[in-house]
This record gives sequence, C-alpha cells and structure tokens, in this order.
Amino acid sequence: QKEVEQNSGPLSVPEGAIASLNCTYSDRGSQSFFWYRQYSGKSPELIMFIYSNGDKEDGRFTAQLNKASQYVSLLIRDSQPSDSATYLCAVSLDPWAARQLTFGSGTQLTVLP
Amino acid sequence: SQTIHQWPATLVQPVGSPLSLECTVEGTSNPNLYWYRQAAGRGLQLLFYSVGIGQISSEVPQNLSASRPQDRQFILSSKKLLLSDSGFYLCAWRQAGTRGDNEQFFGPGTRLTVL
Repeated sequence: QKEVEQNSGPLSVPEGAIASLNCTYSDRGSQSFFWYRQYSGKSPELIMFIYSNGDKEDGRFTAQLNKASQYVSLLIRDSQPSDSATYLCAVSLDPWAARQLTFGSGTQLTVLP
Repeated sequence: SQTIHQWPATLVQPVGSPLSLECTVEGTSNPNLYWYRQAAGRGLQLLFYSVGIGQISSEVPQNLSASRPQDRQFILSSKKLLLSDSGFYLCAWRQAGTRGDNEQFFGPGTRLTVL
C-alpha cells in the first residue's frame, strides 16, 4: 500500500470553477500535511500546510484535513489558467525529524480558459 | 535571503559513465539537505538526506551516493549510470531544528537523461 495516494488525473476544470484535489495517507500517526505546486519542468513550491483537523484558508486556496478518515484535500476557488500544474501532497510523520516528508505522485490539474 | 543552486541544469550521459551533481545553499547555516529524484510523471522519491557535514542517510539502496563536504554543499554521485537513473533531480533544504511546518525549499533541479 502506498503511503500517500493521489489521483493522477488529469483533472480538468473550466476557468472560474472550484478545483478539488484529494490525498489519502496510510499512517495514522501522520502529523503535518503539505500541498506543493509544480509547474511543468520546474521545482515544487509550497502552497499550504495544515496540521489540525478542519479547514485552513489562504486566498483562493483552502486545505481540509480529516485525520479520522486519513484524508487531506486542497480546494482552489475561482480557478485560473495559471493554476494549471501538478499538485503534490506531502505528509510528515514526525515534523521534528530531518527525514520529514513523504510525497504522493501528484495530480495534474488543467484549468480551461 | 536564502538561495539554493543546482548545476548543471541539464545533462545527457551514456550508460556506464560517472555522475556528479552539485547543490549549494546560501544565506543559512547548518541546514538539513535533501536529494530527491522525480521520474517522468511520478512523485518525488527521497534518495538521501543530511543533517550535517559528513552525515548522510540513504533512503533507497542503489548505485548512487551522496556527500556533504561542506556545511552548505551537497553532492550526488554515481560511478556508473544506469538507464533507470534518468529523471529530474531536486536538491532541497530546510532549517534544522525546526518543526516540520517550515517548508523544504527546492532548487531549480537537474534534468538527467541516460542514453
């Protein structure tokens, strides 16, 4: 069983719609959760992190965490063509540990103008 | 401010040739350093990480090795490349001794093609 799973996509949404990206993780002891955005040919950049159950909002982005269901999601409101990228979910079992992050394989999002 | 450099940006190497990729970080001291590989259409696979000079932890047994000769320098090497070593190699750093809420900062990456 993969430790962090994401639908590979591609996920296509029209401009202005809400894009919903999902991630599940296998280790119930996971404590911190990260969403990275990676444009084609570029390195990942952090969008948000979350470590408490519930929602965390930052601009057009909302991260949702449900530890009981071992599920974390990223919602992108008012999607723009510039949001077209691969979104990587990453999980930290021990946030103080140097090893820190396990990544999912990513979901490719395309926002259609 | 902190910056992270990787070179070369792209590399095409024949099977069986050696490899040396370099990563340097500026503007911070005693960072945790990481090497990841990303195969085409795949997620990030952690290869090595280092918490200090000369301290290397290997995640995946393979024909690659890593070294940290200086505090802010991290090198990925191979004596003989395999076709399966092709991919996008990313170096990253994070501030040591902090909670994991602090992000890992990624370098621009090296795209390696082994022919």
